[in-house]
Amino acid sequence: DIQMTQSPSTLSASVGDRVTITCRASQNIKSWLAWYQQKPGKAPKLLIYRASSLDSGVPSRFSGTGSGTDFTLTVSSLQPDDFATYYCQQYNSYSTFGQGTKLEIK
Amino acid sequence: EVQLVESGGGLIQPGGSLRLSCAVSGFTVSTNYVSWVRQAPGRGPEWVSIIYKGGDTYYADSVKGRFTISRDESKNTVYLQMNSLRAEDTAVYYCARVPLAANGPPYFFDFWGSGTLVTVSS
Repeated sequence: DIQMTQSPSTLSASVGDRVTITCRASQNIKSWLAWYQQKPGKAPKLLIYRASSLDSGVPSRFSGTGSGTDFTLTVSSLQPDDFATYYCQQYNSYSTFGQGTKLEIK
Repeated sequence: EVQLVESGGGLIQPGGSLRLSCAVSGFTVSTNYVSWVRQAPGRGPEWVSIIYKGGDTYYADSVKGRFTISRDESKNTVYLQMNSLRAEDTAVYYCARVPLAANGPPYFFDFWGSGTLVTVSS
């Protein structure tokens, strides 16, 4: 099974900050990686697929990079609506999600 | 408008059975990939099962042999039959759709339902 490890687990930041979340796969997943945002009591929302492709309607302040085993999600200028939990997901071999990164207000 | 609505969750004793339903609108289950994904309290999501456009089905090792995914095209609904339930199956269960234009492996999801809670406890 492919394991996904996110860091950090919690990130404290302020509105306007640039933040980066890292995701590492236990084996090569090429570019088959997605990022989701989840708010309490809600379903995950797709942000990015194929490592760097923005889903329809997602603000351009979100971006993704990486291939192979190392990936990043960057938010260029945090907005109040961005404080949530973020998950990476590999879909090279079925699917595995990371354990999540909680982005909280500093 | 694409919508997925889950139902059928509840409190069930260990060893019991439950059938979840996912009624969809805005697309047809026969021409799309639809998955079940669960999320235990305080944990990340976990992929459970998928039914392909052509009808093939796949399962996570944690549920293989106990859960069965199926669909009723006349009702535009996908089901998850869950047998031999265990405490570790306690979670919110979501159904989710793979994007129509997705290329590559069909295991990421653009539309999700709001989920139905399954609690396995005596």
